[in-house]
This record gives sequence, structure tokens and C-alpha cells, in this order.
Amino acid sequence: DIQMTQSPSSLSASVGDRVTITCRASQSISSYLNWYQQKPGKAPKLLIYSASSLPSGVPSRFSGSGSGTDFTLSISSLQPEDFATYYCQQSYRAPLTFGGGTKVEI
Amino acid sequence: QVQLQESGPGLVEPSQTLSLTCTVSGGSITSGSYYWSWIRQPAGKGLEWIGRISTSGSTNYNPSLKSRVTISIDTSKSQFSLKLSSVTAADTAVYYCASWHIAARNFDCWGQGILVTVFS
Repeated sequence: DIQMTQSPSSLSASVGDRVTITCRASQSISSYLNWYQQKPGKAPKLLIYSASSLPSGVPSRFSGSGSGTDFTLSISSLQPEDFATYYCQQSYRAPLTFGGGTKVEI
Repeated sequence: QVQLQESGPGLVEPSQTLSLTCTVSGGSITSGSYYWSWIRQPAGKGLEWIGRISTSGSTNYNPSLKSRVTISIDTSKSQFSLKLSSVTAADTAVYYCASWHIAARNFDCWGQGILVTVFS
């Protein structure tokens, strides 16, 4: 299985801050990397796919980068609604695997 | 965009079989654009992919659960289902169904999730 490691596991930030979360794969996964946002009691929501593509409706303050084994999710100016847990997920091959999550809190 | 809704018992006794159904609406379950997946999340923990099924019925399972998992599809009812046998307390989790967009290779739609507790 491909192991996905996120860091940090949690972080504290303020509204307006720039936030960066990293995700590392145990082997090269090209650009087959997705990011999801999950709020308490809710299902995850697709945030970024193919490492850097935004689905329609996702604010442009979110961006993703990376390829191979190292990936980054950035939030350019943190908004109150962005406090959530973020998960990376590799789509390179089955079994599909997720990172352990990064909780972004105040 | 499709909508997904999980249903099934919220309590299952140890050693029994967990059975859940996901109903697809707002789109066709026979769309060749999707695989239909199950994912679970124990309380306070991360996400674990359980497996997926195509509209033709071909399946892929997580090897960690493969011996206990069966995913099936009923296109006439726009539903797909999960069965997990010989459950233990470790199987207590919120179970999500989700659509896997084949071309984009992502889970683009999720159900709201259903909490299943293994409890005697």
C-alpha cells in the first residue's frame, strides 16, 4: 500500500493567515493527489484534485502544488469557514489511501 | 450532481454482518463515469477506503478488509450495498458512500455518512 503522511497533524492560525499543509507519499504518485476538507459532523468535500486543480465552486484562496512524493496545500488568507480538518488522498493505485489529516484551528 | 444517501442499522452485534445501502439520486448509477465506493471513519480518526464497484459489477476491495467485505449493485433500484462480516468493536465507525469520478480520479460526491456501532 502507498502510505500518505501529512504534517503537521494540527496547527493554530488566525483569520487572514497564510497556511501551508504538506503531504508526502511513500512512493512516487505523479500528480495523482487529492485534497479534501472535512468539518465536524460532515462528510469530506473535494477541495483539490490532480495535485493542483480546483473543482468549480472552491475559492481561489485554496491552491495545491507538488508531484512525485511531495505535495502542498496552501490557503492564502484563512477565512473563518476554513477551520476544518484537511486530508490528502492518493489516486495513483488501489488500495486508495488517505493521509492522517491536519486539523486547522484557531 | 448526484446525491448519495446511506441507510441501514446503526447497531450491529459482534460477529454479525454489517449491511448498508447507498441510494443514488440526481444522476444515473449506470453512468460510465463513476465507480461507487464505501469509505469509513472511526470517531476522531482518519479515513479508510473499503472498496468500490463499477456499474457492471466488478469490484476492488481494500486488502485489509477483503476477506470480510462484499459490495454489490442493484441498478434497477439505483442502489449499491456494503456487507461486512464478522464485525468487532474495531468496525465501529461512520460509513460513507461516495462516487469515484473515473476520469478525474477523485471522490467528487459523498453521502452524509451513517454511524454504525458494534455493540452487544
